[in-house]
Amino acid sequence: AQKITQTQPGMFVQEKEAVTLDCTYDTSDPSYGLFWYKQPSSGEMIFLIYQGSYDQQNATEGRYSLNFQKARKSANLVISASQLGDSAMYFCAMREGNRDDKIIFGKGTRLHILP
Amino acid sequence: GAGVSQSPSNKVTEKGKDVELRCDPISGHTALYWYRQRLGQGLEFLIYFQGNSAPDKSGLPSDRFSAERTGESVSTLTIQRTQQEDSAVYLCASSPGPRSSNQPQHFGDGTRLSIL
Repeated sequence: AQKITQTQPGMFVQEKEAVTLDCTYDTSDPSYGLFWYKQPSSGEMIFLIYQGSYDQQNATEGRYSLNFQKARKSANLVISASQLGDSAMYFCAMREGNRDDKIIFGKGTRLHILP
Repeated sequence: GAGVSQSPSNKVTEKGKDVELRCDPISGHTALYWYRQRLGQGLEFLIYFQGNSAPDKSGLPSDRFSAERTGESVSTLTIQRTQQEDSAVYLCASSPGPRSSNQPQHFGDGTRLSIL
C-alpha cells in the first residue's frame, strides 16, 4: 500500500494566486515527520518545509505553510502569492519513527504557474 | 565542498555492462540514501545506510543491484549487467541520523545513467 499519496499529477495556477498541493499519508507509528521538497527542471531537490507529528502548530517558512490535519492524515502544502519561479515538481515525503531513518516519497505534483 | 557529491554526473554505457555510481555524503551525516528517478516520475527508494550497515534493502529492484558504504562516508551503488530499464537519474541523499529526525535529507545532483 502507498504510504504517501499525492492525488494531483499536475496543476495550473495563475501567478499571484495561492495554491494548495495535497498530500495524504499512512502510518501506524505515532512519531513521524513530514517533508516537502521542490524539484525544478534543473533536477535539484530543494527542501521546503518540515512538520513533526507532535508539533502543535502548522509549520510555516516564508510563503510556504503546511496545513497539517493529523486526524485526517493529511499534510497539504500551501504556497501563497505564487510566482513564476514556483513552477516545478513538488514531492511530499515521510519519515516514520525516531529510529528508522528511511524516508518515503510520494509520486509528486507538477505545478505550472501561468503569467 | 559542503554538499552531497555524486559522480559521475552522467554515464552512458552499453547494455550488459556493469556500472558503479559514487556518493560522498555531507561530513558527519550517518544516514545515506539512494533513490532512482525515471524521467518524469517520482523518487523510488532503493536502499539506505545507517553508518555502514543497510537496515533496509527492500527497494533494490533485483539482484543486479548492490550497494555498500565504507568508513561511514562514501557509498557506491553497483548495477551489474545493465538493462535499458535501468536508465534513470540516481539520486543520493544524506542526513544527520536518527537523533535528528526533523532534519531534512540533503540531495546530490544525481547521476544520469543512460543504457544504450
